[in-house]
Amino acid sequence: RKEVEQDPGPFNVPEGATVAFNCTYSNSASQSFFWYRQDCRKEPKLLMSVYSSGNEDGRFTAQLNRASQYISLLIRDSKLSDSATYLCVVSSRDLDTGRRALTFGSGTRLQVQP
Amino acid sequence: AAGVIQSPRHLIKEKRETATLKCYPIPRHDTVYWYQQGPGQDPQFLISFYEKMQSDKGSIPDRFSAQQFSDYHSELNMSSLELGDSALYFCASSLNPPRGSYEQYFGPGTRLTVT
Repeated sequence: RKEVEQDPGPFNVPEGATVAFNCTYSNSASQSFFWYRQDCRKEPKLLMSVYSSGNEDGRFTAQLNRASQYISLLIRDSKLSDSATYLCVVSSRDLDTGRRALTFGSGTRLQVQP
Repeated sequence: AAGVIQSPRHLIKEKRETATLKCYPIPRHDTVYWYQQGPGQDPQFLISFYEKMQSDKGSIPDRFSAQQFSDYHSELNMSSLELGDSALYFCASSLNPPRGSYEQYFGPGTRLTVT
């Protein structure tokens, strides 16, 4: 079982739709959470950090539920330019080695259609 | 705003050759990370440096080594290249607490093809 799991999709939605992605993580000691977007053959770009109180940036809202160990991303009023792969990313420090690692989910593909 | 710079953007090498990838982090960022992303895979953490010292090590093969220099740029050295090393190699940088957060910003990547 992967440490960070996402539904791979693809999610095919019409322009203007609202779409939600969920992500679960297995390491309860995880400390920081992020959503990145990645376009084909390009670098991951930070979309937003995710806080326990939830945070919103324009059409994007992220939520963190530590008790259930899941993270969500809501996109409202989808645009064609939102088409990309959305990566759920978790930062944890290994209690034994002290190593801090950024673990990526496999990504959820979103295709917004005209 | 200045971003992470990587060079070269594309590299073609033959099996058993060596390759050196360079990364210039965002100015004033104190941590550099290297990732490998194979076709259809998510990025896998290789190694990181904090203030020019190796801080964390991930799934980096023994054939690879990396260092960070006094000007904070980093180089990933890859020897005895294998076909399976063909991938996108990303460098990322961050400014860690207390002066920043753990948010990592990625460079455009180096596409390495081993033939």
